[in-house]
Amino acid sequence: DAGVIQSPRHEVTEMGQEVTLRCKPISGHDYLFWYRQTMMRGLELLIYFNNNVPIDDSGMPEDRFSAKMPNASFSTLKIQPSEPRDSAVYFCASRPTERGGAGELFFGEGSRLTVL
Amino acid sequence: DQQVKQNSPSLSVQEGRISILNCDYTNSMFDYFLWYKKYPAEGPTFLISISSIKDKNEDGRFTVFLNKSAKHLSLHIVPSQPGDSAVYFCAAATQGGSEKLVFGKGMKLTVNP
Repeated sequence: DAGVIQSPRHEVTEMGQEVTLRCKPISGHDYLFWYRQTMMRGLELLIYFNNNVPIDDSGMPEDRFSAKMPNASFSTLKIQPSEPRDSAVYFCASRPTERGGAGELFFGEGSRLTVL
Repeated sequence: DQQVKQNSPSLSVQEGRISILNCDYTNSMFDYFLWYKKYPAEGPTFLISISSIKDKNEDGRFTVFLNKSAKHLSLHIVPSQPGDSAVYFCAAATQGGSEKLVFGKGMKLTVNP
């Protein structure tokens, strides 16, 4: 079975440019999460969706960040405009409802973003 | 404001010995705890979990201990193997309604042959 698929794996861009990160969750998983990993803060939850609907975006750092899930098999995280402090590894994760509660997440391999 | 703390950034042990990874939490509402393992250039993968109704959960070489009064949990790996070398994240959640997992910053374990 395919796992969570993220693209791009690496992105290098200049400050002020728009960045779009993409995620395809595992088929049948109702929950999708976007996390950011930095040395200073570790893994932080940015936003999560249930059945394509954003449930909690309290972790989104600023209005420059936005996320969408137009259908059950695709989500995007957009940063516009990007800044050097956005440099991090962004992970997408999914899980099915059946597991109940805040259970095991299945992570993608991450998108490493570098903003110069 | 870190609700889940892994105070030691790294640990080095010899193959065959025990590895003990520690984690502290501050939110008394947490009642479900997980450990994830992460290799370089890969996403974290689930390792083991424990509910607050238990104080121990074992899966092969991996055992997680929970001390609710101290708000402390630990992961024991016995015996440690070089393939266990990775970054380990502790995570916590409230099963009562939140879907959010709160992660610690991670600890890098190196198991030397």
